[in-house]
Amino acid sequence: QVQLVESGGGLVKPGGSLTLSCAVSGFPFRDHYMSWIRQTPDKGLEWLGYISLSGSLVSYAESVKGRFIISRDNAQNSLSLQMNSLRPEDTGTYYCARSRALFDHWGQGALVTVSS
Amino acid sequence: DIQMTQSPSTLSASIGDRVTITCRASQSVSNWLAWYQQKSGEAPKLLIFATSTLEGGLSSRFSGSGSGTEFTLTISNLQPDDFATYYCQQYDNNPFTFGRGTKLEMK
Repeated sequence: QVQLVESGGGLVKPGGSLTLSCAVSGFPFRDHYMSWIRQTPDKGLEWLGYISLSGSLVSYAESVKGRFIISRDNAQNSLSLQMNSLRPEDTGTYYCARSRALFDHWGQGALVTVSS
Repeated sequence: DIQMTQSPSTLSASIGDRVTITCRASQSVSNWLAWYQQKSGEAPKLLIFATSTLEGGLSSRFSGSGSGTEFTLTISNLQPDDFATYYCQQYDNNPFTFGRGTKLEMK
């Protein structure tokens, strides 16, 4: 069955960096756009960005553009979210999800806490 | 960005009731509107896409309607498993935006 499993969450200080990973199985990863979405107390569910099949096209929400980087490794069936210059308002649960805009499968989420 | 406004934010209902949740978009999203269900501690789950198309395997007690800027999710004959938070999402325009959710609680 389709599985998306995030890892890499944790506590980080403001200004710090963290990288989340999403391991995918149960469907042909290289045939699907992938996205990252987060859920925060302040803004609720917020789409962060998507990456195309080959990784050549990436689109970001304005709130994370220039700070976050989405990448993928089709050989390893994995998706990554590199987060830099983290702020307290980035605290929340981060989900990887299948597709560019309509999210039919989600991971279980990774909790990221930005605090000194 | 397109703003998605859901109402009510909380809805109290009983087993067997029929309930309706409304979602309004700040500009037309055509029929590119989805609904998700989220239970506590879990990821959102896609229920309905393209305004009214039910995701495979889900109960026909869930239905969606609308177009343009106003949409509704209706749940008939409420069951215990339906008590959760429901979100609408537009996928017509980047950035793809979600409503703030409607928490359906047991009366």
